[in-house]
Amino acid sequence: NAGVTQTPKFRVLKTGQSMTLLCAQDMNHEYMYWYRQDPGMGLRLIHYSVGEGTTAKGEVPDGYNVSRLKKQNFLLGLESAAPSQTSVYFCASSPLGLGGSGELFFGEGSRLTVL
Amino acid sequence: GESVGLHLPTLSVQEGDNSIINCAYSNSASDYFIWYKQESGKGPQFIIDIRSNMDKRQGQRVTVLLNKTVKHLSLQIAATQPGDSAVYFCAGASPKNRLSDTASKLTFGTGTRLQVTL
Repeated sequence: NAGVTQTPKFRVLKTGQSMTLLCAQDMNHEYMYWYRQDPGMGLRLIHYSVGEGTTAKGEVPDGYNVSRLKKQNFLLGLESAAPSQTSVYFCASSPLGLGGSGELFFGEGSRLTVL
Repeated sequence: GESVGLHLPTLSVQEGDNSIINCAYSNSASDYFIWYKQESGKGPQFIIDIRSNMDKRQGQRVTVLLNKTVKHLSLQIAATQPGDSAVYFCAGASPKNRLSDTASKLTFGTGTRLQVTL
């Protein structure tokens, strides 16, 4: 019953460092999403994928890159971290796109601090 | 752009009472809404959704009401329990901001923290 698993759960970076967040889902879902959550703001979509080998930009894509080489994995990369990227990052997946019935399955989050 | 928000940042309810959490949206073209629950340190969890061709939808102990005239929806939780303590988000989507036929961008509100007192 793993569902959506994110690693790492916590990370502290210095400005300019790079890192990758890994999201893995075992539900055979086609669609995967990366969101960020900041105090006083709703979840905001960074990038998403509608299937293996595809990626697309969301609402706040700048400073991030993603890859979906395998259906079950969705990676979020920060090439040169900035303090503005301090946030809690959530990965989500869904069996159908939200054009259908729109339940998203979320991971437990990855808290990233950029000093 | 579209905005989805919640009326109160915090709501305190006694155990056993009913809770009503409100949400307003700005885009009259929004046709799909979802409520999520987020417990401390965890990811959001789907509660219930509703489409704009409905005014009301019921789940287990929860009811969502949609008033398209005033662009308002509410989540009602019956017989609130301590385990209901969490932040509740509404999110909306419209045909315009769907990025493709199969993936949509939901606009999330900031959330109401529900505190259940004993």
